[in-house]
Amino acid sequence: EAQVTQNPRYLITVTGKKLTVTCSQNMNHEYMSWYRQDPGLGLRQIYYSMNVEVTDKGDVPEGYKVSRKEKRNFPLILESPSPNQTSLYFCASSLTAIRTWEGRAVRPGRSTEAFFGQGTRLTVV
Amino acid sequence: AQSVAQPEDQVNVAEGNPLTVKCTYSVSGNPYLFWYVQYPNRGLQFLLKYITGDNLVKGSYGFEAEFNKSQTSFHLKKPSALVSDSALYFCAVRDPRNWGNAGNMLTFGGGTRLMVKP
Repeated sequence: EAQVTQNPRYLITVTGKKLTVTCSQNMNHEYMSWYRQDPGLGLRQIYYSMNVEVTDKGDVPEGYKVSRKEKRNFPLILESPSPNQTSLYFCASSLTAIRTWEGRAVRPGRSTEAFFGQGTRLTVV
Repeated sequence: AQSVAQPEDQVNVAEGNPLTVKCTYSVSGNPYLFWYVQYPNRGLQFLLKYITGDNLVKGSYGFEAEFNKSQTSFHLKKPSALVSDSALYFCAVRDPRNWGNAGNMLTFGGGTRLMVKP
């Protein structure tokens, strides 16, 4: 079954204690990203990865780190969590809609929907 | 920059009545548009998408959406609401003409909570 798996589903932690939220997908997708969901703000992108070893900041990257050592995994790391990072976090994956190669854009490709994990509800006290 | 607006925080509908959840977007080119649904304690589930072609797209669970380029809208509709449709609905847009992340990233609206009462 095609899926994106996040762990843990729920986490309560204290300020400053490093934590990692794991994300794994089994669809061989190149593109993965992390979002946080806050009431009234929808989902905002934290970090994304176009492929292995290619990661970059999204709209709200402060206080987060990511890594992409393997295609299937894209962990989210909070080195020193703070209460304002209390939120619902989603990992997502999809095929890459736009491919770039040596700085040149290849023709626009397919556009598929993104697949989301079930979410991680994080509370930082 | 691309953006999405869902003007209603909540929509209340009686079971059996038609429902509409509104979405308007802003992109520089031709948009790829998506609707996702989030049930309580669940992740986001894909409902439907518009890429090109027929302006009326049909999706899961009897939902459909109409792409209106002149009004830059992509409203979600269902002819007869069910109590089980009660959930949080998100509209999202992607502008495929943008390079890199901008072409791949989904920009979401703030979400609309749909309440269907028996």
